[in-house]
Amino acid sequence: QKEVEQDPGPLSVPEGAIVSLNCTYSNSAFQYFMWYRQYSRKGPELLMYTYSSGNKEDGRFTAQVDKSSKYISLFIRDSQPSDSATYLCAMTYVTGNQFYFGTGTSLTVIP
Amino acid sequence: EAGVVQSPRYKIIEKKQPVAFWCNPISGHNTLYWYRQNLGQGPELLIRYENEEAVDDSQLPKDRFSAERLKGVDSTLKIQPAELGDSAVYLCASGLQQGNEQFFGPGTRLTVL
Repeated sequence: QKEVEQDPGPLSVPEGAIVSLNCTYSNSAFQYFMWYRQYSRKGPELLMYTYSSGNKEDGRFTAQVDKSSKYISLFIRDSQPSDSATYLCAMTYVTGNQFYFGTGTSLTVIP
Repeated sequence: EAGVVQSPRYKIIEKKQPVAFWCNPISGHNTLYWYRQNLGQGPELLIRYENEEAVDDSQLPKDRFSAERLKGVDSTLKIQPAELGDSAVYLCASGLQQGNEQFFGPGTRLTVL
């Protein structure tokens, strides 16, 4: 079993839709949870960063962590064509430095 | 603030040839990572440095891959000889020691023919 599982998609939604991206994980020791956005032929860009359980909001993006279910989500409100990218979840221990990535979900927002 | 710099951005070589990638991390970042990313996959760690010390190289194929970070700043990753299966994007990332964030460079896309 992989440490982090992520549905690869692809996911295609109309502009303005609410997008939900999810990851599950198996190691309860993970404490920091991240979402990266990766455009085609670019490196991953840190989008959201959350410690432990709870929600974090940044503009149209909300990251949610449910440690009891070992489940994290990224919600994108009012999705835009510029949101079309691959979204990678990642997580690490409290000591940091070792990061575990999902396989990424490919998202296309259709104008 | 400048981000993580990598060069070259693209490299095409024939199998059995050597190849080297260079990375300059964000100023002040002690930790440097090299990852390999295959198409449709997440990044997989090859090696992690804390300053000039390689603290995790368990996933580095040491028969053909080598890396160095001599002065604890920039780093070079080498493959010799390259094989067809080495075609991938090689990503460099940096972060603070014991930190919980890392920042990626644009990557080097390697094609082995």
